[in-house]
Amino acid sequence: NAGVTQTPKFQVLKTGQSMTLQCAQDMNHNSMYWYRQDPGMGLRLIYYSASEGTTDKGEVPNGYNVSRLNKREFSLRLESAAPSQTSVYFCASSAQTGGETQYFGPGTRLLVL
Amino acid sequence: EDKVVQSPLSLVVHEGDTVTLNCSYEVTNFRSLLWYKQEKKAPTFLFMLTSSGIEKKSGRLSSILDKKELFSILNITATQTGDSAIYLCAGRNNYGQNFVFGPGTRLSVLP
Repeated sequence: NAGVTQTPKFQVLKTGQSMTLQCAQDMNHNSMYWYRQDPGMGLRLIYYSASEGTTDKGEVPNGYNVSRLNKREFSLRLESAAPSQTSVYFCASSAQTGGETQYFGPGTRLLVL
Repeated sequence: EDKVVQSPLSLVVHEGDTVTLNCSYEVTNFRSLLWYKQEKKAPTFLFMLTSSGIEKKSGRLSSILDKKELFSILNITATQTGDSAIYLCAGRNNYGQNFVFGPGTRLSVLP
């Protein structure tokens, strides 16, 4: 089992460009999450998907959209990247809504110039 | 607004030392508090604590939560260089998916 995988590992964008971060899990988990991690601020929830077909906003959703493509995959899209979106993005999954143990992917480091 | 604060933000010790990391939380309708260890990449789960006050242990690591004072501590005894990491604390409530993370404590263990 690969667990939670994310692509790409690193990306550089220019302001205004768009991109999609991909996340997949092979643990048959229902819930999936997208976080961003900035220095000194811990992890902040962007969006989550409690189950296939549903998505909800987290703490910092502005500038992002998500798609729960199927049970395995949860993508995060930046339509028009801004320098403030420079961050490390983590995808996570848990067995069920409110599942205590979240399993994290390796992260995507995004730099917006 | 829910909030989690950790202290210290950074700590440098030598191998063999014992360390205590602190996490205080303000979480409406509190359900649980989680500790994670983050080395180079993804956070990995360490412990989950609830208001029961039951101490959790795993090898040299232990953690307990004080529901009255709204804080938790993570103890690491006989530290090793492999313990060097960022330790994250997160609180969550009963409502849904909102895990509120603290800023983390960066622990450096020198040989």
